[in-house]
Amino acid sequence: AQKVTQAQTEISVVEKEDVTLDCVYETRDTTYYLFWYKQPPSGELVFLIRRNSFDEQNEISGRYSWNFQKSTSSFNFTITASQVVDSAVYFCALSEVNYGGATNKLIFGTGTLLAVQP
Amino acid sequence: DTGVSQDPRHKITKRGQNVTFRCDPISEHNRLYWYRQTLGQGPEFLTYFQNEAQLEKSRLLSDRFSAERPKGSFSTLEIQRTEQGDSAMYLCASSLVGSDGYEQYFGPGTRLTVT
Repeated sequence: AQKVTQAQTEISVVEKEDVTLDCVYETRDTTYYLFWYKQPPSGELVFLIRRNSFDEQNEISGRYSWNFQKSTSSFNFTITASQVVDSAVYFCALSEVNYGGATNKLIFGTGTLLAVQP
Repeated sequence: DTGVSQDPRHKITKRGQNVTFRCDPISEHNRLYWYRQTLGQGPEFLTYFQNEAQLEKSRLLSDRFSAERPKGSFSTLEIQRTEQGDSAMYLCASSLVGSDGYEQYFGPGTRLTVT
């Protein structure tokens, strides 16, 4: 069965600190996608990144970076120089890939609440 | 390009009543998904459609729940004989099958409170 674990329930940092959010996944599929979504206090889930199972290259986008390691089934997310606007719940998610290339259901972790203090 | 919209945003109902939610996906998106999110948890998959065909339903979707997407555009989710345990945020997402059809884009959700 597919499963996503986000062991960190809450993290509190002071602005400008770096913070890493952990994500560990389980799947028997050889082809799958991993995602990170942000859910700010407004409630709407915002897509941040996707990674397919064949691409283990790390990715950087501005202050955000992602580290995908198949050997440890982890897909961690780092925010560099955190800002108050980064305060939100962050979800890691996993999905199989079916015919047509589009994902089926997303399996979400329980989320990590990040609080960035000024 | 408008995003996914959901209506209503909030619904308060008494136990035993029926409720219906609507989701309008991003135009041209042929896949539509429903999820449910309770406090402190991640969203849980309920069902999804490709065009008008319902391709998968979760075991979470009891007989009281029914979803439709009659013309392959908007979708409705109906809950009959609501129970207090149905109180949750109901999220809709859409995606486009194709070369870049991997991201699901979410709407703002409908928050249901059953009293």
